[in-house]
Order: sequence, then structure tokens, then C-alpha cells
Amino acid sequence: KAGVTQTPRYLIKTRGQQVTLSCSPISGHRSVSWYQQTPGQGLQFLFEYFSETQRNKGNFPGRFSGRQFSNSRSEMNVSTLELGDSALYLCASSVIGQGASYGYTFGSGTRLTVV
Amino acid sequence: AQSVTQLGSHVSVSEGALVLLRCNYSSSVPPYLFWYVQYPNQGLQLLLKYTSAATLVKGINGFEAEFKKSETSFHLTKPSAHMSDAAEYFCAVSDDTGKLIFGQGTTLQVKP
Repeated sequence: KAGVTQTPRYLIKTRGQQVTLSCSPISGHRSVSWYQQTPGQGLQFLFEYFSETQRNKGNFPGRFSGRQFSNSRSEMNVSTLELGDSALYLCASSVIGQGASYGYTFGSGTRLTVV
Repeated sequence: AQSVTQLGSHVSVSEGALVLLRCNYSSSVPPYLFWYVQYPNQGLQLLLKYTSAATLVKGINGFEAEFKKSETSFHLTKPSAHMSDAAEYFCAVSDDTGKLIFGQGTTLQVKP
């Protein structure tokens, strides 16, 4: 069974640009969450999508957005990139929403570097 | 609001020694608690989870954790460290919306 697939693995972007990251959940998983990991702030929740609807959102500016498609694949977009957006972005999928009791499966992440 | 505190950002043990990574949580409701491990340039791998069944939870790779409500703790242990256990470990609690709130992480170093 394939795991959670995130593409690309590495990205280098320039300040002011925008970027789109992709996440394909485990087959049958309908919930996809996104987390940002930085050395200073640690792991922080960005948002969760379930059945194409955003169910939960973390405390990030509106430059961070996401969406989920009918096949449960998800994308997140960051517009007007800032140096502080450099981070490892992790996607996690779960069988159903409220996945805490079932556990989340994480992908290997996309390492974004903003220069 | 839920929160997690991991005591000790770095822990060093000798190979074969006991591993103890400490985690204390704050939660207003019975929590779901998790331990994840992260190897360099990798995502998070679930080691074990507590979901109010047994208070002693056994996970993968010989790890286990005990939920102690009176101490609001969920410490991770392994009787005998292996070199391959060197990694960063995260304790997490889920809030009432289901999202995970992570501790700051503990880097485990295993010395030969």
C-alpha cells in the first residue's frame, strides 16, 4: 500500500513568488492535514481538508491556502513568499475526519527554501 | 487549550542503555496522545498512540509509553537503546478539533 506522497521533495523559490505543493494521501484516506516545521517554531498546524472542505485552520496568514480534490489529493499554495516561509511542509492523511483517534500518516515532506 | 512540554531538547544514552523521553501534556478533556519519530530528511513516523484503552501502550521498535493522568505525563521508554534509534522524537496531543499539537521535540543521541 503506497504511503502519503508529497511532491516535490525540494523547492527553491525567490521572495515574492508563489508556490504550490502537492500531497496524495493513502488510498481510501479522505482527510488531509498540512503542517509547517521550522527550527524556531517547531511543528505547526496549517489546515485540514475532508471531502473537499476545509474543516480546520491554523493561525497562519491568508497567504497560505489549500484545497482538496474529489480524489482526496490536496494542494497548498503560498503566495508572496517571505524568507520566513522556508520550512519543511508535511502532509498527513487519515481514514476519516477527526483522525486523531485513528492516527495520522505523514509524508516525507517538501523542503521549501525561500531566497 | 491543549499543550505539550517535552523535557530535554537533547538526550544522550549509550547503546544498550534505557531510553526515557519525557512528555507532559495539558488538556481539558481526556486526550489522545502520540509519539512520533523523525529521521533526518524524513517525515514523521507514528511510534505509538494512547486513545484511552490501556494506560501502557506498546509501539513499534520496542518502544512503549505509559499514560499517567495524575501526573499528566506520557513518557516514552525503551529498555535497550540501539544505534538506529538516534532520531528526533515528538510527543503530540490532539485537541478537540482533531488537530495535533506537538512538543518541541527531543533529539536522541545513541553513543556506541
